[in-house]
Amino acid sequence: SQELEQSPQSLIVQEGKNLTINCTSSKTLYGLYWYKQKYGEGLIFLMMLQKGGEEKSHEKITAKLDEKKQQSSLHITASQPSHAGIYLCGADSPGNTPLVFGKGTRLSVIA
Amino acid sequence: DGGITQSPKYLFRKEGQNVTLSCEQNLNHDAMYWYRQDPGQGLRLIYYSQIVNDFQKGDIAEGYSVSREKKESFPLTVTSAQKNPTAFYLCASSTSGTAGYPYFGPGTRLTVT
Repeated sequence: SQELEQSPQSLIVQEGKNLTINCTSSKTLYGLYWYKQKYGEGLIFLMMLQKGGEEKSHEKITAKLDEKKQQSSLHITASQPSHAGIYLCGADSPGNTPLVFGKGTRLSVIA
Repeated sequence: DGGITQSPKYLFRKEGQNVTLSCEQNLNHDAMYWYRQDPGQGLRLIYYSQIVNDFQKGDIAEGYSVSREKKESFPLTVTSAQKNPTAFYLCASSTSGTAGYPYFGPGTRLTVT
């Protein structure tokens, strides 16, 4: 079965600094999804990547999928307190199977 | 507005009691899912349903049961057979095929003492 490993597990950054979160898959990724979660709340969809080398951006968040489609990175530029939360990557397989998720990366942004 | 509702937000039960968590969506999605979230463990799939009157077990189905009698509803029952039921439960839905991403509800935090 597919497994996703996220690194780091937690991250504390100073406001205004850039940061990167990684998601590595044990198998070739068919579709890779990034979500954000505030503590005690549901997941909010950020971006989906499907093609090797694909890159998408939304405001100050950029997600990339490597050419081999086994690793994705999420990069936040000039972090703000609103970026704090848990970031989770999810992956699916052909056949419309439910997403498998990584364990998440907890991000704290301090002033 | 379209979305997923889960009720209640917080639920408390005594050990040995069955409890049912509600999940309703008005997004006209065919597929619905239940995940469990524990600290440091990410999301684990309990059950999912891709069509009305049909559902499949996920990775941790033991001690849980579901029904899918209506497209909009996918209730989850946590039975007394579930050894560690205290957790945060998330319901999600999606369109069939690969067109859309799963849309999550706000979650229900269940505490069993």
